[in-house]
Amino acid sequence: DSGVTQTPKHLITATGQRVTLRCSPRSGDLSVYWYQQSLDQGLQFLIQYYNGEERAKGNILERFSAQQFPDLHSELNLSSLELGDSALYFCASSVAKVGYNEQFFGPGTRLTVL
Amino acid sequence: AQSVTQLGSHVSVSEGALVLLRCNYSSSVPPYLFWYVQYPNQGLQLLLKYTTGATLVKGINGFEAEFKKSETSFHLTKPSAHMSDAAEYFCAVSPFNFGNEKLTFGTGTRLTIIP
Repeated sequence: DSGVTQTPKHLITATGQRVTLRCSPRSGDLSVYWYQQSLDQGLQFLIQYYNGEERAKGNILERFSAQQFPDLHSELNLSSLELGDSALYFCASSVAKVGYNEQFFGPGTRLTVL
Repeated sequence: AQSVTQLGSHVSVSEGALVLLRCNYSSSVPPYLFWYVQYPNQGLQLLLKYTTGATLVKGINGFEAEFKKSETSFHLTKPSAHMSDAAEYFCAVSPFNFGNEKLTFGTGTRLTIIP
């Protein structure tokens, strides 16, 4: 158990819909990362938040957005869903301090778009 | 930009044999390097990491990896494979600077252990 929790574990929805994935980081970790794992694209970095502020952006679609709340949990919002958005979405957290960058991954949310 | 190449999407070894999973990286700045393991229907678990210092790093479950700057490699090894090692393994790189810690992953190597 990494200490990172993600809900829900599974999500099945239809094209055009909007969903929200939730992540709670390990206690004390200020940084949250979102990754997408799909058969086509492999494991890709989407976005990073540090203490409530967006820190880095990867290949995140405009239809996707994220935020980190004052209690440090994070949500990834996916809208206007397409079949190709079906994937496993991981959240990771780290202390993100100088000289140290170990990311701990949650169990993931499997999104199926029908 | 950073990138990782994992040679061999599938590797099969006999139980008790040496495990060698290959990883080469490309980075314009000194990198942090990682190996993660993913068991079926589970998240990613860190096996080991290289940040600075000793180039031979030991991880969990008997795995180790050696950072070779001249070869831009970070191959993962285990002297004797166990059935429980069957999983997918990912090599990853991140920049050696605070404020940009995103992981760039390789495409993964699926390890099969033959009884």
